[in-house]
Amino acid sequence: ILNVEQSPQSLHVQEGDSTNFTCSFPSSNFYALHWYRWETAKSPEALFVMTLNGDEKKKGRISATLNTKEGYSYLYIKGSQPEDSATYLCAFMNSGYALNFGKGTSLLVTP
Amino acid sequence: KAGVTQTPRYLIKTRGQQVTLSCSPISGHRSVSWYQQTPGQGLQFLFEYFSETQRNKGNFPGRFSGRQFSNSRSEMNVSTLELGDSALYLCASSLDPGPDTQYFGPGTRLTVL
Repeated sequence: ILNVEQSPQSLHVQEGDSTNFTCSFPSSNFYALHWYRWETAKSPEALFVMTLNGDEKKKGRISATLNTKEGYSYLYIKGSQPEDSATYLCAFMNSGYALNFGKGTSLLVTP
Repeated sequence: KAGVTQTPRYLIKTRGQQVTLSCSPISGHRSVSWYQQTPGQGLQFLFEYFSETQRNKGNFPGRFSGRQFSNSRSEMNVSTLELGDSALYLCASSLDPGPDTQYFGPGTRLTVL
């Protein structure tokens, strides 16, 4: 079992705040790092797949960075909106191609 | 393009019974993975199928099994159900194994009484 840690476990911010979460994963045998957003009563939605050290990805107000040498990834949300409220999951993929998920960061954005 | 579909969406079984869950991937996707989500453990990998072959298996007992058909549809089976098998079972499909994005279905909520 590969240890993927996410912090914080939960976060409550005001609309307009910018925020970030951390995902830590094993630095050996790395193949890819996935980020997902999971809203209640919906399917997990893919945000990013990152494969190279130093990768930076952006999708609207959400961006992510990757450091494979030290085994961490950051997800940033700029100007949080209530519709950003969800659980954000990261998943480490090793050369076996299985996704090993962290337990997620639960984000609540209030107006 | 239709997304990943899973049937049934909800299921109630009793201990000792067996259950079969079905997953239809996005058209053209050949890899299907299964995950179990429980409140305490989060999302855990069960197994992955590609070209009708199980390529990878997570740390679950042999009561959990699966298969994939030639049209890439997949089923998973749990025999001799236990209370702890109550969970949301998600399947995800991707074009091929590897770092491709995995697209998740809505899940099957299994309750074991």
